Amino acid sequence: GQQVMQIPQYQHVQEGEDFTTYCNSSTTLSNIQWYKQRPGGHPVFLIQLVKSGEVKKQKRLTFQFGEAKKNSSLHITATQTTDVGTYFCAGMDSNYQLIWGAGTKLIIKP
Amino acid sequence: SAVISQKPSRDICQRGTSLTIQCQVDSQVTMMFWYRQQPGQSLTLIATANQGSEATYESGFVIDKFPISRPNLTFSTLTVSNMSPEDSSIYLCSVGGNSDTQYFGPGTRLTVL
Repeated sequence: GQQVMQIPQYQHVQEGEDFTTYCNSSTTLSNIQWYKQRPGGHPVFLIQLVKSGEVKKQKRLTFQFGEAKKNSSLHITATQTTDVGTYFCAGMDSNYQLIWGAGTKLIIKP
Repeated sequence: SAVISQKPSRDICQRGTSLTIQCQVDSQVTMMFWYRQQPGQSLTLIATANQGSEATYESGFVIDKFPISRPNLTFSTLTVSNMSPEDSSIYLCSVGGNSDTQYFGPGTRLTVL
C-alpha cells in the first residue's frame, strides 16, 4: 500500500540547535498535515499544506511542501524544551486516505 | 476545534474480557475515527465511523473484534473484544476538522494481562 516515509526516527539536539524532519511519498499527495505529540499526550494538529511549493511558518517552525507534492519538511529553529515530542506528518492520498508517517522524536540533550 | 473526551483514560484488563471505550465530542461531527497506537509507534487507523451507517474497517481489523457504535453525531464507542496481551495499546478517537484535518481525544491506555 501507499506509504509516507519519515526520517529520522529520532533526533537528539542541544537546546538552541535546529531540528528537521522529512517526509517522502511515492505518490502525489493532495495535502500534507503535521501533528505534534508530546510525551504521554495525543497528536495535536499543527498545520496543513496544500499547494505545490508552499511554505508556511509558525514562529520558529517552518513547513514546506515540495514542488511535486510528494515530500515535505518541518524545520524548527533554535529548539526549546517545549519543542520536545514526536512530530508526525500525514499525507492525504488520491483516495482521501490519510497516510501517517512513522514520526520523528525530538529529544533535547541534558 | 472540537473538544473530545474519552472514557476510560486507562484500564488494566484480563485476557478474554472485553472493554468498551467511549468518545464524546462537544459538537456535531460527521466523521469519527478510531486509531490504535503502540508505544513509540505511529498511528494505525482501525475504522471510520459515520453516523447512520456501518463503520468502515481498515485491512487487518474486523467488526467481530472491534465492534463500533455511532448512535448520534456527538458520540461513538469502540469495543475491544476477547482481549489478548497483543491488544495492549493506546486507543484514540478523532474527529474530522476543516479540510480533512483531524482532532484527537486524549486516548485510552489499555493494558491486557
